[in-house]
Amino acid sequence: EVQLVESGGGLVKPGGSLRLSCAASGFTFSSYSMNWVRQAPGKGLEWVSSISSSSSYIYYADSVKGRFTISRDNAKNSLYLQMNSLRAEDTAVYYCARPLVVPAALHPIDYWGQGTLVTVSS
Amino acid sequence: EIVMTQSPATLSVSPGERATLSCRASQSVSSNLAWYQQKPGQAPRLLIYGASTRATGIPARFSGSGSGTEFTLTISSLQSEDFAVYYCQQYNNWPLSFGGGTKVEIK
Repeated sequence: EVQLVESGGGLVKPGGSLRLSCAASGFTFSSYSMNWVRQAPGKGLEWVSSISSSSSYIYYADSVKGRFTISRDNAKNSLYLQMNSLRAEDTAVYYCARPLVVPAALHPIDYWGQGTLVTVSS
Repeated sequence: EIVMTQSPATLSVSPGERATLSCRASQSVSSNLAWYQQKPGQAPRLLIYGASTRATGIPARFSGSGSGTEFTLTISSLQSEDFAVYYCQQYNNWPLSFGGGTKVEIK
């Protein structure tokens, strides 16, 4: 069974930093690209960042570029999101998400973690 | 960046009725379009990918159609468990983008 378990969320002051982790199990983690997607309270879904299976390719939403860093450790089956210079508008539930491999250059998401809440407030 | 626009924002439907949800892309995404269902307090669930292919375990009452810039999700006969928020998402280009969602509520 595929499982994605996020951790590391919490309350942080504006300008602060936080590191999210996602522990993956039930599939060959090193074979999949991975994603972070967030959802502000009461709002819709927003893609944040993606990383290829070998970390060769990394993409960010403009809203987080230069502040967030995605990384992975295939030996530990883990995905990370280092978030710096946090702003109030970064307040959201952050989901770790695995794509469904389809015959296309990019892929939809078929597995999501339960999410971890990040609150940026003074 | 491709902007995804969903309509209507809220759809009021009686159980057993048909629901039709729309999604429009600001430029062509070919058939690289997915639909997700999200219930309160839960993560999204993949319903449809490739614009019309049902994901594993998704009931046949859910169907998707369209290509290019215009897409539709149809729920043929709404069940109580189908009342939720539905999102479309394009995966044709970076950055990946989601629509704003359609809430399907009980009439």
